[in-house]
Order: sequence, then C-alpha cells, then structure tokens
Amino acid sequence: GQNIDQPTEMTATEGAIVQINCTYQTSGFNGLFWYQQHAGEAPTFLSYNVLDGLEEKGRFSSFLSRSKGYSYLLLKELQMKDSASYLCAHMDSNYQLIWGAGTKLIIKP
Amino acid sequence: SAVISQKPSRDICQRGTSLTIQCQVDSQVTMMFWYRQQPGQSLTLIATANQGSEATYESGFVIDKFPISRPNLTFSTLTVSNMSPEDSSIYLCSVGIVEPYEQYFGPGTRLTVT
Repeated sequence: GQNIDQPTEMTATEGAIVQINCTYQTSGFNGLFWYQQHAGEAPTFLSYNVLDGLEEKGRFSSFLSRSKGYSYLLLKELQMKDSASYLCAHMDSNYQLIWGAGTKLIIKP
Repeated sequence: SAVISQKPSRDICQRGTSLTIQCQVDSQVTMMFWYRQQPGQSLTLIATANQGSEATYESGFVIDKFPISRPNLTFSTLTVSNMSPEDSSIYLCSVGIVEPYEQYFGPGTRLTVT
C-alpha cells in the first residue's frame, strides 16, 4: 500500500533552523513534494525532489533518500511568517499526489 | 506556473441543495484535480477532471454526489449535490504541470452546510 508520515506539530524559535521529516511507502515513485499552507489559504509549491540528494532554494532546502523512503524539509533563519503547515506528498506511478497529514510549524519570538 | 481562480470563494448552503464550484485557469492545462480539505486535515483527492471524457473518481467519491465537468483545457466545475453538514469543507481545484509535475492550487471554496 501507500503511506506517508510526518510529525503533527513542531515548534521553533525565530532565527533558528528546523528540519521537518517525512517518510513514505509506495509501490511506484515519481517524486517527492513539499508544500506550504498558511491557515485559510491554498497550498503553495515549495520543492520537488526526484533524485537522491539535497535541493537548496534560498532559506529552504529539501532532501530525498529513495532507498530509505525518507525526505526532509530544512528551513533556515526562521521568520515569523514561516508559521504554517508543511505538507509532504509523493507522486505515485499514476502521477497522482499522495499527501501526508501536514506538519504545523509554530515559530516563537 | 499557472494562475487559478475559483468561484464562489465561500458559501453557506442549506441541507439538500446543490452547489457548483467553478475553476478557471489562465492557460491550457491537461491535468486538473479536485480536492477536499476538512479543517485541520490534509488534502483528499476527489477526482481527476479529464477534458473530453468522464472524470476519474477516487475511492469513496461517486459521480452522482460530485458530478464534474471539463468542457475545455482551461475550465472545470465540481458540483456538490444533495448536501449535508458532512460536506462542509474547503474544496480546492489544482492543475498539474507535466514537467516537473508541479501542482498549483486555486484559492479554494469554503462551503458550510447548515
């Protein structure tokens, strides 16, 4: 079957670094996605990994290990506006996104 | 990327009625999807809207309850039929860009059924 897990909630301090982990199980794989969703808003695309390794995009980086079924989203120099839910999703063999439940990130001053 | 608009942005409807949600994209796209998101929950795919053919529904969703139209490559509608309070949710349309398979979301329609 297909399954995807990520922590429900995390708390971090403004200016710090936080890593949000995601593990998945799938019979077919076409990439791993991270989306950001502020309360009451639609999800917005953050990153896409299809090969192993780290993809860096400004303050955000995403890592993938296909053999381990594991990804993480790394957020540096945290800002208050980074308080949001972060959704991990993998794309299956039918090119459909299978979504995790999301990690609510709370940033404290 | 793609710019997606949805109408209405929110509505309050009575039990037993139907609501049609429109999704408009600013460019032609092959893949369009309809999702539901309950408060505090993740996204649940309702169906894939296929241009020129019937939509493909996920387990737990049926055409009689959620009829979908896709008359062209820039527009789709989702109807929530015979609504009950359990249908209260945010309904999101999204479009898929083939390379690198990104999905972009509309702003959502917040539906409350009383």
